[in-house]
Amino acid sequence: EVQLVESGGGLVQPGGSLRLSCAASGFTFSNHAMTWVRQAPGKGLEWVSAVSGDGQNIFYTDSLKGRFTISRDNSKNTLYLQMSSLRAEDTAIYYCAKDRGDETDSFDTWGQGTMVTVSS
Amino acid sequence: DILLTQSPSSLSASVGDRVTITCRASQTVTNYLNWYQLKPGKAPKLLIYAASRLQTGVPSRFSGSGSGTDFTLTISSLQPEDFASYYCQQSYNIPFTFGPGTKVDIK
Repeated sequence: EVQLVESGGGLVQPGGSLRLSCAASGFTFSNHAMTWVRQAPGKGLEWVSAVSGDGQNIFYTDSLKGRFTISRDNSKNTLYLQMSSLRAEDTAIYYCAKDRGDETDSFDTWGQGTMVTVSS
Repeated sequence: DILLTQSPSSLSASVGDRVTITCRASQTVTNYLNWYQLKPGKAPKLLIYAASRLQTGVPSRFSGSGSGTDFTLTISSLQPEDFASYYCQQSYNIPFTFGPGTKVDIK
């Protein structure tokens, strides 16, 4: 069974840092691009960042460049999101998602999400 | 960035109703348009990819159509488990933007 399990969320003070992890199983991890998407309370989905299967191609939404860093360890089947200089507006559920692996760049499997709360 | 708008933002419907949600892009996305279902506390679910292709395991009452800038998600006969929020997403250009969502609730 294809599965994604996020971890690492929690309460952090403004200006702090947090690293999210997404453990993948049930598929050949290195063959698939991976993505982070977030949903702030009461808001819609926001695409955050993506990384290619080999980790060489990385993309971010412009507003987060410089504060968030996506990475992956294919030997551990794990995706990461390092978040720094966190702000209240970064409060959200963070989902990792798997690319279908075709040219459509749609996300066919998602984790349940991990909640990040930025507050003093 | 490509802006996606959805209409309506919310709707109330009954079991058995036919429901249609539209998504409009600020520029062409050809057929790089996907639809997701979101329920509180659950992992989002891919319903339709490439505008009209049904994701494996998704009931056939869901269908998608459109190309270019105008797209539609249709639920032919609404079931109790379909009360949820629905989002379109374009994968034509990075950043891969989402629409603002449509909430479907019980009339």
